[in-house]
Amino acid sequence: AQSVTQLDSQVPVFEEAPVELRCNYSSSVSVYLFWYVQYPNQGLQLLLKYLSGSTLVESINGFEAEFNKSQTSFHLRKPSVHISDTAEYFCAVSGGTGFQKLVFGTGTRLLVSP
Amino acid sequence: DAMVIQNPRYQVTQFGKPVTLSCSQTLNHNVMYWYQQKSSQAPKLLFHYYDKDFNNEADTPDNFQSRRPNTSFCFLDIRSPGLGDAAMYLCATSRDRAGSYEQYFGPGTRLTVT
Repeated sequence: AQSVTQLDSQVPVFEEAPVELRCNYSSSVSVYLFWYVQYPNQGLQLLLKYLSGSTLVESINGFEAEFNKSQTSFHLRKPSVHISDTAEYFCAVSGGTGFQKLVFGTGTRLLVSP
Repeated sequence: DAMVIQNPRYQVTQFGKPVTLSCSQTLNHNVMYWYQQKSSQAPKLLFHYYDKDFNNEADTPDNFQSRRPNTSFCFLDIRSPGLGDAAMYLCATSRDRAGSYEQYFGPGTRLTVT
């Protein structure tokens, strides 16, 4: 069975500071990894994903994540955050063949203050 | 824009009174999912349709049912809502159900049970 651990339930940070949201996963098969963002009272939006190839993946709004197989991690980073980045961030994993449901972590609330 | 639409955005029902939530999609995706998300928790998959094939998660209560009359629409029926069923219900779609396919989420329906 697959699982995801997001150790930080909340990360407060000042605007323009760098941030890292941690994600570790457990899986016995090859994995696909995702970061979703959820703004208040909205659904989830895909931020970025790792399927194969380059271990560093980037989003259009400045976030990046690096797949580290040896450390079973997929941490999300941004060098300079904005107030508008305040949201809940979910790391998720799926993988294997056939239907493999998306397994989410418990989420990390990013709070950006001026 | 192609999208996933959920109606209503907010639903209030009484304890034990059946309620139906609806989801529609313009993406023409084969797979539709229903998730339950309680406050400050990860989304939990209830079931999914792969085309017309219904797939229930083992721990989904019998109180929850679903219908997919055509490719575009999917409904979540809660036969006798309890206070513990108050949550955000998220509908999602994907082109196929292999783990590498991105899921597209609707904005969610927040259900209150009085």
